[in-house]
Amino acid sequence: DGGITQSPKYLFRKEGQNVTLSCEQNLNHDAMYWYRQDPGQGLRLIYYSQIVNDFQKGDIAEGYSVSREKKESFPLTVTSAQKNPTAFYLCASSSIRGDSSAGELFFGEGSRLTVL
Amino acid sequence: GEDVEQSLFLSVREGDSSVINCTYTDSSSTYLYWYKQEPGAGLQLLTYIFSNMDMKQDQRLTVLLNKKDKHLSLRIADTQTGDSAIYFCAESMGLYSSASKIIFGSGTRLSIRP
Repeated sequence: DGGITQSPKYLFRKEGQNVTLSCEQNLNHDAMYWYRQDPGQGLRLIYYSQIVNDFQKGDIAEGYSVSREKKESFPLTVTSAQKNPTAFYLCASSSIRGDSSAGELFFGEGSRLTVL
Repeated sequence: GEDVEQSLFLSVREGDSSVINCTYTDSSSTYLYWYKQEPGAGLQLLTYIFSNMDMKQDQRLTVLLNKKDKHLSLRIADTQTGDSAIYFCAESMGLYSSASKIIFGSGTRLSIRP
């Protein structure tokens, strides 16, 4: 079945450590995104990529890094520079909007990161 | 600036209709979306409406769009316990821009009482 897979679902990290969250999709989508979700807040865009080997900062990119070496994969690294990393992280993908697409996002199940 | 606003909570009796409201600020929005998030999961697209429409119906769901007031609503008929979730309103701007321009509201938590 086509879909988008995030791992791990739960992750604990000590302060000062980097951690990488995985996101893989087999929907043949060109665009991929990382969002952060905090309680009572909407989704905030961290990074996005519209094509392999290219990505752009979203609204809250500081303390995060990404890579897009393959169309299917868009891993997110939460670095020690991120001051408040405890959150729920959501990866999404979409086809580029056109006649047959409303540009809707397809989401993974999320990864919950807790910093101890 | 771009902003999408929703109330945070809504409580409805089982079998009644739920109406979740949303206001947005960008008049150039092309698509408006409703997403549903169940506990501990990602978001799923429920429905969307193109900005040149004023209503869309899909089984128990009815979306109403008032472009003049920049107001979007989602009505769920015959609300069931399985409808308990957080509902996000979202807007996208530009005709061919990517989904990077999708702006989400803070979400409305719908709870169902017996």
